[in-house]
Amino acid sequence: GAVVSQHPSWVICKSGTSVKIECRSLDFQATTMFWYRQFPKQSLMLMATSNEGSKATYEQGVEKDKFLINHASLTLSTLTVTSAHPEDSSFYICSAMTGGNGYTFGSGTRLTVV
Amino acid sequence: RKEVEQDPGPFNVPEGATVAFNCTYSNSASQSFFWYRQDCRKEPKLLMSVYSSGNEDGRFTAQLNRASQYISLLIRDSKLSDSATYLCVAPEGGTALIFGKGTTLSVSS
Repeated sequence: GAVVSQHPSWVICKSGTSVKIECRSLDFQATTMFWYRQFPKQSLMLMATSNEGSKATYEQGVEKDKFLINHASLTLSTLTVTSAHPEDSSFYICSAMTGGNGYTFGSGTRLTVV
Repeated sequence: RKEVEQDPGPFNVPEGATVAFNCTYSNSASQSFFWYRQDCRKEPKLLMSVYSSGNEDGRFTAQLNRASQYISLLIRDSKLSDSATYLCVAPEGGTALIFGKGTTLSVSS
């Protein structure tokens, strides 16, 4: 089946630094990638939708200059958390549409900003 | 953005029990729905898809009521391994998945 590989699985970074999260579709082409964020005991909240070769569409309240999304190829989408702060600590996960209205998720990245 | 609301939970049940979760959605245009299962600190895994009135897979039964705009998930003969958070999901406009907050199930021996 369709697989999305997400790296890193977890990362600890200092406040003020930037962190890049990668999601690669391994055996299919992901024209569209969705990025979610999940705080403890909360739902997965959609942050943005990225389309290959075009600018990402951000949800209301998500700072596009802080959460940089690049989707330069059909198999790779990246999310960069710039100037990270402790409140950005969360579980970030990507999802891609596969054929037949299916979706597949990356394994998630647990970000801790100290 | 359209909303998906779920039972608050948590549900604490003994092994062998039957448990049901409900989920209401506000986007009447939604055609398909999903139940996902999420274990702690893991990605969601698809449990069932619901395209018409319902779907059954072993101990799991999902039902869709379009008139009342709700979806239910019934788990029969609960196992310890069923302990997880169950997420009700509706695609919005055929693209992004919109998740409910999830219902936590804890099955004890």
